[in-house]
This record gives sequence, C-alpha cells and structure tokens, in this order.
Amino acid sequence: DAGVIQSPRHEVTEMGQEVTLRCKPISGHNSLFWYRQTMMRGLELLIYFNNNVPIDDSGMPEDRFSAKMPNASFSTLKIQPSEPRDSAVYFCASSLAGRANQPQHFGDGTRLSIL
Amino acid sequence: GDSVTQMEGPVTLSEEAFLTINCTYTATGYPSLFWYVQYPGEGLQLLLKATKADDKGSNKGFEATYRKETTSFHLEKGSVQVSDSAVYFCALSMNYGGSQGNLIFGKGTKLSVKP
Repeated sequence: DAGVIQSPRHEVTEMGQEVTLRCKPISGHNSLFWYRQTMMRGLELLIYFNNNVPIDDSGMPEDRFSAKMPNASFSTLKIQPSEPRDSAVYFCASSLAGRANQPQHFGDGTRLSIL
Repeated sequence: GDSVTQMEGPVTLSEEAFLTINCTYTATGYPSLFWYVQYPGEGLQLLLKATKADDKGSNKGFEATYRKETTSFHLEKGSVQVSDSAVYFCALSMNYGGSQGNLIFGKGTKLSVKP
C-alpha cells in the first residue's frame, strides 16, 4: 500500500521566493495534518483538515503561510514570501477522521532550506 | 491543557542494554497513547499504541503499558540494538470532541546505541 507521499523531498531557494509543498494522503484517509520540525521548536502542528475542510490553523506561523486541500487526495502548503527562519522539515500526515485510536501516518517530509 | 512530557535526551546505551524512556501525560479525559519512532532522514512511524488503561502495546521488542493511576506510558526494551538508534516520540490523542485524532507530541528523546 502506498503511504503518504510528499514532494519535493528537498527544496533550496532564496528568501522572498514562493515555496509550494505537496502532499498526497493515504487513500481512504479523511484527515490530513501539516507539521513543521526544527531543532529549536521540535514538532509543531501547523494546520489540519477533516474531509478537505480546514479545522484548526492556529499553528500557522503567520499570513505568509497558507494551506489548501482541493480534494481528498491532494494538499498544498505554500509560503510566500519565504524567509530563512522558515527553514525546517515539513511533514504531512493522514489518518481516519474522528477516530482517536487510529494512528497518523507520516510522509518522509520535505527538507526546506531558505537562503 | 493536554500535554505530554518525556525524558530529555540524548540517551546513549551499549548494545544489549535495557532501555527505558519515561513518558507522562496530562489530559482531562481518557486519551489513546502512542509511541512513534523517527529514523534519520525519515518521517515518524508508529511503533506501538494503547487505547485504554492497563493495555500493553508492543512491537519489535518494545513495550509500553498504559498506567492511568500514574498517567504514564513508559517505553521499554530488554536488549537494544544499534539499529534502534533513532528519536522516539510519545504522543496522546483525545477520545472526544472535534479534535479526535489530533496528536499531542512530547519533545522527543534521541537514542544512540553503540556497538
């Protein structure tokens, strides 16, 4: 079975550029989560969706960050304009909505470096 | 609010040593509890879970028991291997409300096993 698929795996770009991270959740999963991981702050939940609807975006750092889920099989996280402090590993995860004992399944992440 | 506290790392052990990583939680209800493992350069993978008091989760020689009286979910392994070197995350998920399935993570404990 295919797991959560993220692209690109690595992204290096200059500050001020727009960055788009992509995620394909596991088929049949209807919750999708975006996380950011850094050495200083650990693993942070940015936003999550249930049935393609954003439920809680309180973890999104600022207006430069936006996330969309146009359908059940695709989501994007966009940073515009990007800044060096956005450098981190970004993970996408999916699970079955409303089921607390169902685990989240993580992708391998996108390692983002903003120069 | 709900939270997870796990022991600070890094933890360095010799091969075949006994491992314990402590995890305690604070929750207003009855959460499900998880241990995730992150190998270098990869996303988080579910290691084991327990959904109610006194449940024992186990996988790959690792075990953890859901202790409601001490609000703990300590991870143990009787004999670690070099291949167990990774970062281990304790997490909880609440069983009620609109946030079912959301995970609250501890900060992670890095384990290094020396041959």
